[in-house]
Amino acid sequence: SQQGEEDPQALSIQEGENATMNCSYKTSINNLQWYRQNSGRGLVHLILIRSNEREKHSGRLRVTLDTSKKSSSLLITASRAADTASYFCATDADSNYQLIWGAGTKLIIKP
Amino acid sequence: EAGVAQSPRYKIIEKRQSVAFWCNPISGHATLYWYQQILGQGPKLLIQFQNNGVVDDSQLPKDRFSAERLKGVDSTLKIQPAKLEDSAVYLCASSNGLAGGETQYFGPGTRLLVL
Repeated sequence: SQQGEEDPQALSIQEGENATMNCSYKTSINNLQWYRQNSGRGLVHLILIRSNEREKHSGRLRVTLDTSKKSSSLLITASRAADTASYFCATDADSNYQLIWGAGTKLIIKP
Repeated sequence: EAGVAQSPRYKIIEKRQSVAFWCNPISGHATLYWYQQILGQGPKLLIQFQNNGVVDDSQLPKDRFSAERLKGVDSTLKIQPAKLEDSAVYLCASSNGLAGGETQYFGPGTRLLVL
């Protein structure tokens, strides 16, 4: 079953602009993770945020988590062509720790 | 550190044939996962191993899919007989955590096309 839903399904921006993707989920979680998938490098872990954290940074990535709204956002600042990929959120339900994945946001960075 | 290895990278078979995929996880990782990813969708967990025991195989179509992880290291996933709807990318991942929900490291995947 699908727990996370990313929004938008697709996003196209100019290089240098910021990209924001959102993820909503249904049940309480232990943590939420963001992954990136492109044809060159496969599926790669970006960042993990735990349920007791509200914000986390990693380089040009900023992730927020609002457990009251059951939502998370991923912000990529100063986008580059290499950021072109699909971005997935994955949550592990409080009960069984299994990762449940959304369908992803397809991000295209135009040069 | 070597990543997760998978083979083959591509496979084309006809329906009703059988196929097997192999995965070698990151050394020392106790937990190994097999996912199925259909085009345009997120990965769907098929089976999760912790060492050589099965933690979760609730979404594995057991009438045609089987998986094993001998000696708690390498793993194979088999489909017999294959159906058209099995066309997908099969991803293997491993993690250091024992409880699940930890960072997972993925292999390049095997792209299967069933004709």
